Amino acid sequence: SQQGEEDPQALSIQEGENATMNCSYKTSINNLQWYRQNSGRGLVHLILIRSNEREKHSGRLRVTLDTSKKSSSLLITASRAADTASYFCATDRGAGNMLTFGGGTRLMVKP
Amino acid sequence: GAGVSQTPSNKVTEKGKYVELRCDPISGHTALYWYRQSLGQGPEFLIYFQGTGAADDSGLPNDRFFAVRPEGSVSTLKIQRTERGDSAVYLCASSSSLVDTQYFGPGTRLTVL
Repeated sequence: SQQGEEDPQALSIQEGENATMNCSYKTSINNLQWYRQNSGRGLVHLILIRSNEREKHSGRLRVTLDTSKKSSSLLITASRAADTASYFCATDRGAGNMLTFGGGTRLMVKP
Repeated sequence: GAGVSQTPSNKVTEKGKYVELRCDPISGHTALYWYRQSLGQGPEFLIYFQGTGAADDSGLPNDRFFAVRPEGSVSTLKIQRTERGDSAVYLCASSSSLVDTQYFGPGTRLTVL
């Protein structure tokens, strides 16, 4: 079963616009991570935010975490056509840090 | 440096056959994970290894699925008596410790006819 829910399921924007994706989860976490996936194959790690952090930046990416609401958001600024992909949030569980993924947001950036 | 590699990239088999999927983790990574991703969904955890031992196999769907990591590096996921419902992309990931980022391989797309 999947813990997280991404919202929206699909998002279509023009190049240069900002894209915001949200993730909600159900149980307590140590970390939350965002991954990108192109064409249904390998996942590329984007950013990890720990439960005691509220915001983190990496280039054009900004991630926020609200543990009281059990939610996170990923903001991609000044989007590019190359950002077209599926984006997943993943929370860790158990002593082994196994990841539980949401269903993903499919982002399309039109040139 | 080299990332996680998986072979084969694609595998087509017939219902009832046995398949093996291989994962080469990043050198020095002690933790290795297997996930399965069905079309249109996020990956789901199958099993993870810390060193040579399977530390948690709670995600394996049934006893047709088995994985090994005999020398603490390469891992093989084995599926017996494959069924059409086993068709999915099987992803492997490794990390240097249990609190670090998991790095994923490109996956093996398994199709059971």
